[in-house]
Amino acid sequence: AQKITQTQPGMFVQEKEAVTLDCTYDTSDPSYGLFWYKQPSSGEMIFLIYQGSYDQQNATEGRYSLNFQKARKSANLVISASQLGDSAMYFCAMREGRINQGGKLIFGQGTELSVKP
Amino acid sequence: DVKVTQSSRYLVKRTGEKVFLECVQDMDHENMFWYRQDPGLGLRLIYFSYDVKMKEKGDIPEGYSVSREKKERFSLILESASTNQTSMYLCASSLSPRVTEAFFGQGTRLTVV
Repeated sequence: AQKITQTQPGMFVQEKEAVTLDCTYDTSDPSYGLFWYKQPSSGEMIFLIYQGSYDQQNATEGRYSLNFQKARKSANLVISASQLGDSAMYFCAMREGRINQGGKLIFGQGTELSVKP
Repeated sequence: DVKVTQSSRYLVKRTGEKVFLECVQDMDHENMFWYRQDPGLGLRLIYFSYDVKMKEKGDIPEGYSVSREKKERFSLILESASTNQTSMYLCASSLSPRVTEAFFGQGTRLTVV
């Protein structure tokens, strides 16, 4: 069963506008972590933001924020004031529990974001 | 800066060949991961390792094996390459059991003909 789901294969946003990329997850482990990565056309994977399951506040990093809704099991990425350089593939990921106790680090299918000038 | 280096950027191999993909990290990370990336499927976990000589199956281990004899090196082995293993392979590493960030290599584009 898919544990990380990104339902938007592609998204368009106008430059300078905000955009939300959706991510839902499924786990029975009370301790987990949620991540977002950016992959531009060059192929490198760039870490954007992390949210722990016990964190009380939503994570923010510059123009990126993670809208964490625990009850809904969603971890949406919000990019404010989009820039042309934000055009890329975005991946949501989840770490279940501890890696050395059977936890995994798994990724979603990705959302391709295109920013229009 | 953390560096994760994959031995090849591009590889072309023949069906039935044994293929080795090498990954080296220079930051003494305990955890290392191998993923394959295919359009529409995202990154799928093949194997991971949380210590030397330890390995755990990911979601798609069939047709692959791994080796971790030294902490800094994690090898992915395709015992008998097949055309359906043509893909982009990504290696990653991270520091702690409760991973809060993983660092990726540049990827290896493998084509099996």
